[in-house]
This record gives sequence, structure tokens and C-alpha cells, in this order.
Amino acid sequence: NAGVMQNPRHLVRRRGQEARLRCSPMKGHSHVYWYRQLPEEGLKFMVYLQKENIIDESGMPKERFSAEFPKEGPSILRIQQVVRGDSAAYFCASSPGQADYGYTFGSGTRLTVV
Amino acid sequence: SQQGEEDPQALSIQEGENATMNCSYKTSINNLQWYRQNSGRGLVHLILIRSNEREKHSGRLRVTLDTSKKSSSLLITASRAADTASYFCATAHDMGRRALTFGSGTRLQVQP
Repeated sequence: NAGVMQNPRHLVRRRGQEARLRCSPMKGHSHVYWYRQLPEEGLKFMVYLQKENIIDESGMPKERFSAEFPKEGPSILRIQQVVRGDSAAYFCASSPGQADYGYTFGSGTRLTVV
Repeated sequence: SQQGEEDPQALSIQEGENATMNCSYKTSINNLQWYRQNSGRGLVHLILIRSNEREKHSGRLRVTLDTSKKSSSLLITASRAADTASYFCATAHDMGRRALTFGSGTRLQVQP
């Protein structure tokens, strides 16, 4: 069981480019969560998805950010026209259900915008 | 604002000592969880305590929950240098389909 797989581990983008972050949940997990973490800070919730559905996107900026979890394939967090302030570590987590389950986290994608 | 706030923000102890971290939260919860994060890595789930439980143990970990005070504590006994990490509490709301809300964490340094 490979756990939650995130790629790439490190991503460098120039201002104005697009960043695509991928997350394959743990086998048997149908709930996916994306969080953002700045250095020395806690995790800030971005979006919660189930297969083909966005359950809660209250933490997502209204512009430039989008997320999907298609029927087949990994979940994708997409950031368009990146700015320096988007530089952060982005973590994906998965769980088999919504209540009374701990999350399994991936190792994160560290996005640097230059 | 963050649902959970940990206290202290940073803690430095000697190997063999006990480490206690506290977490306060604001709204009603279904459960509270503690996670550990080593520098530059993802979070690892340590323990989950439900709202109807008051205390839970797992190895050297002891977690308490006081829903009347909206607070929890994590005790690590007989600490080791390998326990050096950041520790986060996370709360699960008791209404609606919401993801966990994480606190700002306690950075624990265990000196060998």
C-alpha cells in the first residue's frame, strides 16, 4: 500500500505560469483534502473532494485556484497565473470516510514562484 | 481564524522528560485528533479522541479531552530525541461535511 502519493515534490514556476499539483489517495480512500502550509505555520484548509464532487471549497481563493477529483485518475489542484504569494507547501490527505477517521497525508508539493 | 490553537508554541525539554501540549478550540466537535510533522514532511496521524471520551492512551501518548472547556492535551512520556517534531491538533466539526481544521502547532525539541 503506497499511501498518499503527491507529485511533483518540488515545483518551480515563474510568475504568470500555471501550476498543477497531483494527488493519488490511498487505496480504498474516496475522500481527498488539500491544505496549504507556509513556513513555521499550521495547515490552512483549501478544498474537500469526493470522486467527481467538490464537497467544500470554502478555503479556496475565488480566483485562479481550482480543484478536481475525476472518476479516474488523481486529484488535481490547479493554480493559474501564479504569484509570489502562492509559494508554499501544498499537502493532500485522504480518508476512507468523513467522520471518525484520521487522515493519511502525502509528503507535499513545495511550490516556489520566482 | 484557526479552530484549534496550541500552547505553547515551542517547547524544549531534555530526553526522558515528559512533554505536555495543549489545544483549545471554539466550536462543537465530533472528535479531536493529534498529528505529528517532522521538518519538511507530511503529517502523521497519532491519535483520535471522540467527543464522548475523556482520555485515551496509545503507547507513550496520553490524550485528554474536556468538552466543557473546549480543550485537549497531549502528553508524551519519557521523551526521546526522535520525538522532536511539530505537533498539531485538529478538530472535526459535529455538523455538516467539513474537513479537519488544524491549529498552528507546537514545536517540540527534545535535547539528547
